[in-house]
Amino acid sequence: EVHLVESGGGLVKPGGSLRLSCAASGFTFSNAGMSWVRQAPGKGLEWVGRIKSRTDGGAIAYGAPVKDRFAISRDESQNTLFLQMNSLTTEDTAVYYCTTYLKDSSGWHYFDHWGQGTLVTVSS
Amino acid sequence: QSVLTQPPSASGTPGQRVTISCSGSSSNIGTKPLNWYQQLPGTAPRLLVYANDQRPSGVPDRFSGSKSGTSASLAISGLQSEDEADYYCAAWDGSLNDWVFGGGTKLTVL
Repeated sequence: EVHLVESGGGLVKPGGSLRLSCAASGFTFSNAGMSWVRQAPGKGLEWVGRIKSRTDGGAIAYGAPVKDRFAISRDESQNTLFLQMNSLTTEDTAVYYCTTYLKDSSGWHYFDHWGQGTLVTVSS
Repeated sequence: QSVLTQPPSASGTPGQRVTISCSGSSSNIGTKPLNWYQQLPGTAPRLLVYANDQRPSGVPDRFSGSKSGTSASLAISGLQSEDEADYYCAAWDGSLNDWVFGGGTKLTVL
């Protein structure tokens, strides 16, 4: 069974940094694309970024609001996905979800399994 | 303002069939497949439909997706109380080079 567990959330001051982790199990992590999606309190879903699987090219891309401030990486020896968040603002306050990023037989992607999320609060 | 447009709310009684719409443009729904997610209160989203009309294993066939032009719909038949949740549509936008979501539809089972 696929299991994704996020950690690292918490309270951080504006301008600060935070690193989120997502521990993955139940599937071959090295073959999987992964993504981060966030949800501000009481709001809808917003894509943060994704890293394609190695077999899918391994490319990394980010959503416009976080480009140049956030960085996605992965450690395949630990089956863990990371999200390094810098220059945080109050607009980044949200629950951050880790998801698998799968490709179907036609080559189209979608967010498949989701973790339970970790809350990041940016406040002075 | 979300790139994909959904009605903020929908409702139905147990056993009824309800549909939730999602409207976009030629740069997203018109040329890219659409996915639907269900978010039960206090939980993480769950994939319901991918590639317009494909259901992952474990999703009941009461849930079905369809697409026509720049609009898509999620239909839920035989409505149950446990279907009360927020529903989101999502697609890749080729012009924005971004994944875009609808603002979500809160479904109430009366």
